[in-house]
Amino acid sequence: GNSVTQMEGPVTLSEEAFLTINCTYTATGYPSLFWYVQYPGEGLQLLLKATKADDKGSNKGFEATYRKETTSFHLEKGSVQVSDSAVYFCALTHGSSNTGKLIFGQGTTLQVKP
Amino acid sequence: EAGVAQSPRYKIIEKRQSVAFWCNPISGHATLYWYQQILGQGPKLLIQFQNNGVVDDSQLPKDRFSAERLKGVDSTLKIQPAKLEDSAVYLCASSLEPRNIQYFGAGTRLSVL
Repeated sequence: GNSVTQMEGPVTLSEEAFLTINCTYTATGYPSLFWYVQYPGEGLQLLLKATKADDKGSNKGFEATYRKETTSFHLEKGSVQVSDSAVYFCALTHGSSNTGKLIFGQGTTLQVKP
Repeated sequence: EAGVAQSPRYKIIEKRQSVAFWCNPISGHATLYWYQQILGQGPKLLIQFQNNGVVDDSQLPKDRFSAERLKGVDSTLKIQPAKLEDSAVYLCASSLEPRNIQYFGAGTRLSVL
């Protein structure tokens, strides 16, 4: 079946460090891929998305590239801030019969220290 | 624009009791989703509505969970009777159509003792 696997957390970084959160997926067809972020006490927010192979999603300094050959969608940011501390979820929607149902990874907690 | 509203924010009950959660989606959004997020896991879809019809309830434990969206707007999710393993955050999301971006509410955190 369709699934998403993320790197284990928590990830602890100092401010201005480079961030990578790994995400790989298993899916039939051509899924769309997403990164959602959950700040403390808030609901999930869409951070970025990519709908086809080699697409790059970007937002707020974060980037992720849809790599079909490695079935990956790793999240990167060149210089993190304390305000980026949150839980990050990688997700997909199934391609061929897309009802919009999101399948999520387990989430990765990011802690950024001043 | 108002976001997805959920209530209550927190609920504590004892096992075998019943509980209900309410969701008001963004105005005009035809598609509504209920997800269950157990601590340390990603959200898992319980049920999806398109207007007032059910699109997908394959992951809903129908012996104890029920959901409705009678007028195609607000929705309620009920658990009766609750079990310890139902402790989780219940998230409601809505979108204009099934393939559009989903907007999430803040969730209801349920603790079953």
